[in-house]
Amino acid sequence: GAGVSQSPSNKVTEKGKDVELRCDPISGHTALYWYRQSLGQGLEFLIYFQGNSAPDKSGLPSDRFSAERTGGSVSTLTIQRTQQEDSAVYLCASSRAGEGYEQYFGPGTRLTVT
Amino acid sequence: GNSVTQMEGPVTLSEEAFLTINCTYTATGYPSLFWYVQYPGEGLQLLLKATKADDKGSNKGFEATYRKETTSFHLEKGSVQVSDSAVYFCALSDRGSARQLTFGSGTQLTVLP
Repeated sequence: GAGVSQSPSNKVTEKGKDVELRCDPISGHTALYWYRQSLGQGLEFLIYFQGNSAPDKSGLPSDRFSAERTGGSVSTLTIQRTQQEDSAVYLCASSRAGEGYEQYFGPGTRLTVT
Repeated sequence: GNSVTQMEGPVTLSEEAFLTINCTYTATGYPSLFWYVQYPGEGLQLLLKATKADDKGSNKGFEATYRKETTSFHLEKGSVQVSDSAVYFCALSDRGSARQLTFGSGTQLTVLP
């Protein structure tokens, strides 16, 4: 079946602009995660959605970052007023609910802020 | 909080050599432990996992045993191949509400023919 998809695959933006990154999880997966992979910080958790529950935003690095998940499926991560330190690969993952279920990762969006 | 400490790389081995990548963790409860692999130009893939103490995860010739007493989950393979060249990440997921993964820093493995 189809895996997790993300778009765009690459995004170059100017400092100060807003960007939106999209994630389509695997059908039937109720849990959705956003992570960031950068040279300096490694792989960091950003935000978690589970069904209709309030998202866990504990990993978001600043209030410039926000995310939503519409209809329990597609998610959009928005970064406002981008800074150069936001340059990274943004990864989305999804899984079934419950203990021990594997998280399946998308290919990522490489964001470059110039 | 949770943390994962992973052996620093890069690691370069000859084909058919034995591989060990060390991983230790700190967690408040009884986490699930994972090894993920990232092949060049590809996304993260789960390599193996273990969900409780003394469990052994295995896949593609790789093994790791969940050692609660030493809080470790070392990755081993008896005979590496060129195709194993990749970045390997150790990770844990706690049993709290979010279950997000906490990753180690990654170990770059290069296997030479």
